Amino acid sequence: GIQVEQSPPDLILQEGANSTLRCNFSDSVNNLQWFHQNPWGQLINLFYIPSGTKQNGRLSATTVATERYSLLYISSSQTTDSGVYFCAVGFAMRFGAGTRLTVKP
Amino acid sequence: DTEVTQTPKHLVMGMTNKKSLKCEQHMGHRAMYWYKQKAKKPPELMFVYSYEKLSINESVPSRFSPECPNSSLLNLHLHALQPEDSALYLCASSRGGGNTEAFFGQGTRLTVV
Repeated sequence: GIQVEQSPPDLILQEGANSTLRCNFSDSVNNLQWFHQNPWGQLINLFYIPSGTKQNGRLSATTVATERYSLLYISSSQTTDSGVYFCAVGFAMRFGAGTRLTVKP
Repeated sequence: DTEVTQTPKHLVMGMTNKKSLKCEQHMGHRAMYWYKQKAKKPPELMFVYSYEKLSINESVPSRFSPECPNSSLLNLHLHALQPEDSALYLCASSRGGGNTEAFFGQGTRLTVV
């Protein structure tokens, strides 16, 4: 099956810093999503981005499908950005292991 | 409306009990999913229904039995569970067809005692 790798596994930032999270996948896909899981377990949709670039406020994402990776950019981070960020790929939505982000005030 | 509703939010059950988890969506989505998530791990796919037919079963033990009575509703029937089955159970739906965005419910936190 498709393999999904995320990096880094953990990230600690000061409020206001920028960060880049990466998702590599082993096979071509026509589905890729980024989620943020809050402390209560809710998976919140950030981007549905099988290819190209999208922006939503301080967050943006880019997927280069031909090179099998996607990047999530967080600018001017806030403490509320803390949590786990997952990418999921394919119709069956296989999840990577996630990046645990902690933003300190 | 992008809401997927799961009930109950919390469930405690004994190893001899039978219980069911329910998931509902009214977005006209034709694919629905069950995931299991243990603490500090990613969600792990269990089942996928596409157009009310089971299309993926990730070799899940038979003590978990999915059911899709109609396109809006997905159930997960639980019987003779083990304490290691305690986890967050997440439901999701998507439009279907393999190229669509998925939305998750808030999950059911299950504890088996």
